[in-house]
Amino acid sequence: DVKVTQSSRYLVKRTGEKVFLECVQDMDHENMFWYRQDPGLGLRLIYFSYDVKMKEKGDIPEGYSVSREKKERFSLILESASTNQTSMYLCASSRTGLNEKLFFGSGTQLSVL
Amino acid sequence: AQKITQTQPGMFVQEKEAVTLDCTYDTSDPSYGLFWYKQPSSGEMIFLIYQGSYDQQNATEGRYSLNFQKARKSANLVISASQLGDSAMYFCAMREIQGAQKLVFGQGTRLTINP
Repeated sequence: DVKVTQSSRYLVKRTGEKVFLECVQDMDHENMFWYRQDPGLGLRLIYFSYDVKMKEKGDIPEGYSVSREKKERFSLILESASTNQTSMYLCASSRTGLNEKLFFGSGTQLSVL
Repeated sequence: AQKITQTQPGMFVQEKEAVTLDCTYDTSDPSYGLFWYKQPSSGEMIFLIYQGSYDQQNATEGRYSLNFQKARKSANLVISASQLGDSAMYFCAMREIQGAQKLVFGQGTRLTINP
């Protein structure tokens, strides 16, 4: 089975801090995704990557950046954390194809104080 | 524009009854795929079922089936004989062939099964 691992389950940071959320997958998937989940809003795509060093903006990229230096690792960076970035962050990966499902990590609950 | 709409924020159903969770979508792409995921209170995202836009038959996976009405752009999830363990958030999602692999999700429906 595919394993998608997010480095932290819970994270508490201060406003203005630089925050790194790490995600690693072990099934050689081409595509990796970062979503944030908020009550009533569902999952919203922040960024995704279809290859090493390649990235595409999702629906809500403002305030975030990403890095994919290796195929298995996709990092989400909050350059200067703000309280409105308090959320559950979900990483996912998939093969390429219309019918390829996403495999999700267990999520990181980030609180920005 | 919202691509995936789930209009039921919450639903309450008696155990053993069938339940339909609504999902409508918007796309001009002739080729797309529709997914349903379940998220129990543990937070994990569990893939349930997939329907391709060109699939002739409605998808089925055990107690889950997808009522796909292409002309109406709806892809409702039907759960037969509901169980207490079906209580969870349910998300509908879509991938377009021209969408560069991204999967867009709806707002979700919280389903509660009452004993």
